[in-house]
Amino acid sequence: QSVLTQPPSVSGAPGQRVTIFCTGSSSNIGAGYDVHWYQYLPGTAPKLLIYVNSNRPSGVPDRFSGSKSGTSASLAITGLQAEDEADYYCQSYDSSLSAYVFGTGTKVTVL
Amino acid sequence: QVQLVESGGGVVQPGRSLRLSCAASGFTFSRYSIHWVRQAPGKGLEWVAVISYDGSNKFYADSVKGRFTISRDSSKNTVYLQMNSLRAEDTGVYYCAREDCSGGICYFGYWGLGTPVTVSS
Repeated sequence: QSVLTQPPSVSGAPGQRVTIFCTGSSSNIGAGYDVHWYQYLPGTAPKLLIYVNSNRPSGVPDRFSGSKSGTSASLAITGLQAEDEADYYCQSYDSSLSAYVFGTGTKVTVL
Repeated sequence: QVQLVESGGGVVQPGRSLRLSCAASGFTFSRYSIHWVRQAPGKGLEWVAVISYDGSNKFYADSVKGRFTISRDSSKNTVYLQMNSLRAEDTGVYYCAREDCSGGICYFGYWGLGTPVTVSS
């Protein structure tokens, strides 16, 4: 049902860099709609991580960065830490569906 | 601090109704649009509905249109989601989220912990 595609999982050792890609289409990211990222730990409230492609809310470490190009967006985590182990979702808007859409979600595992 | 607290979830039979509540505090409720987002077991997040800051505009996902109704009561700082004709596929955790905007671009700035809904006979 998700129109934004993410890899199911990525992993890395502490201190490493991992990147999560979010692939959309011409009716969402490719149409110019911005991308936002959320961190989700089961049993907790989802947390805004990146807004409007590359902006970090106050309190979010600068280890997290986002970018957008064409029909895709990406979230990078540098200096991976154990506390970063969580699910990550991208989100945008789709004009064909007239709906806010989320990515399929990516589980980040810290080895 | 911003707080959103969902309640009203539970186990309900297919075809029955349920009303969820989202109680807001820590901010000026009347200035913000509020969304409902759900997560089915083992699935990703799915946007459900949004109500504008003044209640004048409401939008729904196709999957719930005609069955769910979103509303708000400013005297109680609460948003509701009336869910009718429930189906098994409506099972999941329901979150409310505050819409924040930057330069006209809006996103889900704050979320609640969610309330679980199970539709089963």
